[in-house]
Amino acid sequence: NAGVTQTPKFQVLKTGQSMTLQCAQDMNHNSMYWYRQDPGMGLRLIYYSASEGTTDKGEVPNGYNVSRLNKREFSLRLESAAPSQTSVYFCASSERGSGPQHFGDGTRLSIL
Amino acid sequence: GQQVMQIPQYQHVQEGEDFTTYCNSSTTLSNIQWYKQRPGGHPVFLIQLVKSGEVKKQKRLTFQFGEAKKNSSLHITATQTTDVGTYFCARSIKAAGNKLTFGGGTRVLVKP
Repeated sequence: NAGVTQTPKFQVLKTGQSMTLQCAQDMNHNSMYWYRQDPGMGLRLIYYSASEGTTDKGEVPNGYNVSRLNKREFSLRLESAAPSQTSVYFCASSERGSGPQHFGDGTRLSIL
Repeated sequence: GQQVMQIPQYQHVQEGEDFTTYCNSSTTLSNIQWYKQRPGGHPVFLIQLVKSGEVKKQKRLTFQFGEAKKNSSLHITATQTTDVGTYFCARSIKAAGNKLTFGGGTRVLVKP
């Protein structure tokens, strides 16, 4: 049982490049989330999807877009990467909005 | 904004000693969740508290939800090196669509 799978695990980009981070869960969860975690900091919500077909902005959505491709998959896209987006990105899922969240292993993204 | 404050930010504990970390909110919470993140790892769900005054135990960990549902605490007894990591509380507010907002975390270091 894989849980939440994120790809890639590591990525280095140049400023201005675009990239999509992939996330898939196999727990039949309704809600999915994207967070970023800067060094020594807590988690900040970028976007979330309460259910298939819906997406909403979180605390720090600027510079990002998301797609809830189906119930399993929720992708995060950086259209024009900036050094300020260097961070660790975590995807998470939960059965319902207020329930426990299950996290992937994260994507460590560096933008030069 | 609607935030949760965690204190202390850092906790250096001698192995075998007890410590407590606190999570405070200015608004009434629907529920509070606690997560643990090992260095280099991803957050892992520990517990969810829903009822006013609720107390739950997991081996050496005791979680409490305040009577007014505005604060919570995590108490660890007889600290072990396996307790090293960052402990996050996360609050859910019905008026905010039950999204989770994470506190800044308490980073625990254990001195053997």
